[in-house]
Amino acid sequence: DAGVIQSPRHEVTEMGQEVTLRCKPISGHNSLFWYRQTMMRGLELLIYFNNNVPIDDSGMPEDRFSAKMPNASFSTLKIQPSEPRDSAVYFCASSLASNGYTFGSGTRLTVV
Amino acid sequence: AQSVAQPEDQVNVAEGNPLTVKCTYSVSGNPYLFWYVQYPNRGLQFLLKYITGDNLVKGSYGFEAEFNKSQTSFHLKKPSALVSDSALYFCAVALRAGNNRKLIWGLGTSLAVNP
Repeated sequence: DAGVIQSPRHEVTEMGQEVTLRCKPISGHNSLFWYRQTMMRGLELLIYFNNNVPIDDSGMPEDRFSAKMPNASFSTLKIQPSEPRDSAVYFCASSLASNGYTFGSGTRLTVV
Repeated sequence: AQSVAQPEDQVNVAEGNPLTVKCTYSVSGNPYLFWYVQYPNRGLQFLLKYITGDNLVKGSYGFEAEFNKSQTSFHLKKPSALVSDSALYFCAVALRAGNNRKLIWGLGTSLAVNP
């Protein structure tokens, strides 16, 4: 298995632009999590899905952030419009029951 | 409130010495406990977990952790540290949320192993 696959690995964009981050979870995993990591705030859970349904989006910072999971093998996290304070590493993780998470390699987002 | 604490921002040990990275938690019910490691510019990697059974859990790369219910702790240990163990370590506690587990994370401890 190739693990959790995230794209792109790096994204540099201008303030105000739309950014879309992509994630392919491990086949068979039924939960998917989007995290943001910064030096100041550490790891923050943004949203998670169970069986493609959003369960908890209380961590989504603002309406500028949205996430979708149209099927079991794909999820997107969109920021529109992006702002410099959104600069962070965004991780996707998937899991099956209580077996722990498998993380992707992350997307390093820089908004200038 | 349910929480996980990693009281040390940084731990420094000499290569070959034993290491301990501390974690305490505050949750209701029986916790599921995890340790993850993050190397520079990488995602988090699973090290080990406690679900039930033996309080001493062995994981990847020679790490182990001991679940102590009375002290609500789950410290990560290794008998002999390697320079390559230098990384960021995260403790996490799982809460039941529907049919799956939402993790509460500690802020991480940076481990530096000096040659």
